[in-house]
Amino acid sequence: KAGVTQTPRYLIKTRGQQVTLSCSPISGHRSVSWYQQTPGQGLQFLFEYFSETQRNKGNFPGRFSGRQFSNSRSEMNVSTLELGDSALYLCASSLEGPGSSGSYFGPGTRLTVL
Amino acid sequence: QKEVEQDPGPLSVPEGAIVSLNCTYSNSAFQYFMWYRQYSRKGPELLMYTYSSGNKEDGRFTAQVDKSSKYISLFIRDSQPSDSATYLCAMSVRRQGAQKLVFGQGTRLTINP
Repeated sequence: KAGVTQTPRYLIKTRGQQVTLSCSPISGHRSVSWYQQTPGQGLQFLFEYFSETQRNKGNFPGRFSGRQFSNSRSEMNVSTLELGDSALYLCASSLEGPGSSGSYFGPGTRLTVL
Repeated sequence: QKEVEQDPGPLSVPEGAIVSLNCTYSNSAFQYFMWYRQYSRKGPELLMYTYSSGNKEDGRFTAQVDKSSKYISLFIRDSQPSDSATYLCAMSVRRQGAQKLVFGQGTRLTINP
């Protein structure tokens, strides 16, 4: 079974731009979660989608948004990029939710904001 | 105070040693407990998953959960240089009607040949 895939793997943007990241979950997984990973803050939860609905949200500003499509693929958007948004963005998929069956991560998208 | 505390290390041990990695937590509502391994510039890989107090073994890895003490551990036996990575503990809690994962800071482990 194919794992979680994320595109693109690397992105370089400048302040004020916006960016869209994509995640394809493991086949059959309906839950997709997004995380931001930085050396200082570690892994921080952004939001979770299940069956096209946002089910849970972390403490990030409204510039961070996401959506999920009917095939469970998910996108994450960050508008008006700031230098502090430079990070590794990870998505994770699971059958029914992040806790009940374990989450499987993709390789991440490394975003650099200049 | 963070909900999940994990010693960031770094931890360096010789090949073949038994490694003990630990996390403590403050929220008794955590239900599921996981350990992830993350190699440099890669996504975290699920190693162990458990939901009850006690031990769970998988090859050279043993996960231990003590809910009364709010403490979880990962033991690696016969450690190999390929085990060198950052190890993250994670715990799930129900918030806003859905499960959410909370991660420790990660422990950077180096196994020296």
